[in-house]
Amino acid sequence: EDQVTQSPEALRLQEGESSSLNCSYTVSGLRGLFWYRQDPGKGPEFLFTLYSAGEEKEKERLKATLTKKESFLHITAPKPEDSATYLCAVQAGTALIFGKGTTLSVSS
Amino acid sequence: NAGVMQNPRHLVRRRGQEARLRCSPMKGHSHVYWYRQLPEEGLKFMVYLQKENIIDESGMPKERFSAEFPKEGPSILRIQQVVRGDSAAYFCASSPTKATEAFFGQGTRLTVV
Repeated sequence: EDQVTQSPEALRLQEGESSSLNCSYTVSGLRGLFWYRQDPGKGPEFLFTLYSAGEEKEKERLKATLTKKESFLHITAPKPEDSATYLCAVQAGTALIFGKGTTLSVSS
Repeated sequence: NAGVMQNPRHLVRRRGQEARLRCSPMKGHSHVYWYRQLPEEGLKFMVYLQKENIIDESGMPKERFSAEFPKEGPSILRIQQVVRGDSAAYFCASSPTKATEAFFGQGTRLTVV
């Protein structure tokens, strides 16, 4: 069964304290792994797509990496505005299968 | 270029009433997906549509739920005879092709009282 597990469920950081979020997946034939950011009361905002092991993508303080079993979202020197829930999803057929997300809180 | 537009943003229905949720995809996008997000749960796929066609409805409950994406106008997710368990946030997403990233709307939050 296709499955996505994200850890930790919640993460509290001080401003400037770098860390990583984990997304483990099992899927028959990975067609794409997606990272989204979701703010309270809003829809998911697209961040990255990764297609093959070894691929990396960066955007501002965020960097996403992919292996054959998991993906990491590295956050470098986070700011309070990075506080949000980060969602990981894999494409299985026509649908995206989402993890439950990691809620990140960054305090100044 | 406007993003994915969903309306209404909030919808309150009494048990037994019908709920209609609308979604206008991004310009140039012909693929529409509906997802449901229950409290403390992840986003769950419901249905995938292209213009005038339902491509995959494997995540849609067999009864009371239906979806359409007509040639003209927005995609509609319809829930008949709503029950309390239907209370959730319903998100629509669109993409230009089948295999590319999907962009989400702000969602419709349905509350059944």
